[in-house]
Amino acid sequence: QVQLVESGGGVVQPGRSLRLSCAASGFTFSSYGMHWVRQAPGKGLEWVTFIWSDGSNKYYADSVKGRFTISRDNSKNTLYLQMNSLRAEDTAVYYCAREIQNYVRALDYWGQGTLVTVSS
Amino acid sequence: EIVLTQSPGTLSLSPGERATLSCRASQSVTSSYLAWYQQKPGQAPRLLIYGASARATGIPDRFSGSGSGTDFTLSISRLEPEDFAVYYCQHYGSSPYTFGQGTNLEIK
Repeated sequence: QVQLVESGGGVVQPGRSLRLSCAASGFTFSSYGMHWVRQAPGKGLEWVTFIWSDGSNKYYADSVKGRFTISRDNSKNTLYLQMNSLRAEDTAVYYCAREIQNYVRALDYWGQGTLVTVSS
Repeated sequence: EIVLTQSPGTLSLSPGERATLSCRASQSVTSSYLAWYQQKPGQAPRLLIYGASARATGIPDRFSGSGSGTDFTLSISRLEPEDFAVYYCQHYGSSPYTFGQGTNLEIK
């Protein structure tokens, strides 16, 4: 069955960096585009970034553009989110999610999320 | 950027009743690339509807989606106790793939 498992969250000081990982299994990872979505405590969902199945194109929300970088290693079935210059407002649960099929970017499988807390 | 506005913010209904949730876009959504998700406390969201009206795998037929252009609706024909949750719409036609702010469907 499809599984997405995030890791790498934790407490980090403002201005520092953190890298999240999402390990995928149960499907052909290299055939699907992947998203990161976040949810601040008690708030709604915020789409963060998307990467094509082959990694050739990437899109970002304005709130993270220039600070966050999405990448993937299809040989390791793993998605990454490099987060630099972190701010308090980046505090959230970060979910990785799969697009339902190539070029149809609804998110059909989600991980359980990893909590990132930005605080001094 | 397409802004999605969901209404109402909170909907109070009883089991067995029909729920109608609205999602309005600030500009036309390309090819009805509009999805609906359900989220329960402490859980990841679950995809219900994509392409404005196609049910995702395993979603009961009491859930239905409709609409096009800028106005979309999620309907739940007969509410079951497990349907009380927060619902989000999202467009995915062009980046950024924004979400609406959510509708909290609560038990009356």
